Amino acid sequence: QVKLLQSGAALVKPGDSVKMSCKASGYTFTDYIIHWVKQSHGKSLEWIGYINPYSGGTNYNEKFKSKATLTVDKSSSTAYMEFSRLTSEDSAIYYCAKGIGAYWGQGTLVTVSS
Amino acid sequence: DIVMTQSPSSLAVSAGETVTINCKSSQSLFGSVRQKNYLAWYQQKPGQSPKLLIYLASTRESGVPDRFIGSGSGTDFTLTISSVQAEDLANYYCQQYYDTPYTFGAGTKLELK
Repeated sequence: QVKLLQSGAALVKPGDSVKMSCKASGYTFTDYIIHWVKQSHGKSLEWIGYINPYSGGTNYNEKFKSKATLTVDKSSSTAYMEFSRLTSEDSAIYYCAKGIGAYWGQGTLVTVSS
Repeated sequence: DIVMTQSPSSLAVSAGETVTINCKSSQSLFGSVRQKNYLAWYQQKPGQSPKLLIYLASTRESGVPDRFIGSGSGTDFTLTISSVQAEDLANYYCQQYYDTPYTFGAGTKLELK
């Protein structure tokens, strides 16, 4: 069955970067776009961007263009998102999702604190 | 960016009632090539990832109970939940995927009366 397994929670300092992963299984990784979505505590969802695992092509929300970098490793069916120059505003749960959103990872909690 | 305005922000219901959640987009989500509306509805329970209920405005995702009905076209969309069950208490979000950046509504919290 389709699964997206995300990396564990991260506690990072302001100004640092964090790289989180999303390991896909149960389907052909290169056939579907992977989306990344942010959810701040108690708030709605924000689309960060997507990556096409086949081509490596990306599409970013302008709001996150200088903050997020999306990559994939086809050999391990894993998508990555690196978030840089972190501030308290970046503390949130980050989700990866396959295709139109029928399958989501369990989320990675990122806490930015000194 | 396309703005998604969802209402109400919260709704208190009794089991067995029918509820309606509205979602309005700032521009049409109707794609002329495929003749489809690019609008999805998600359910999210506390501590869980969002779950896709409806896509293309009215197509129910596999395994979703038929009491969840999506309707609407253009800029006005509705999620109807008939005969609400206790397990339906959650937050509901609409999302447009007509154009990037894909955007979500602010959410509707469904609570027990």
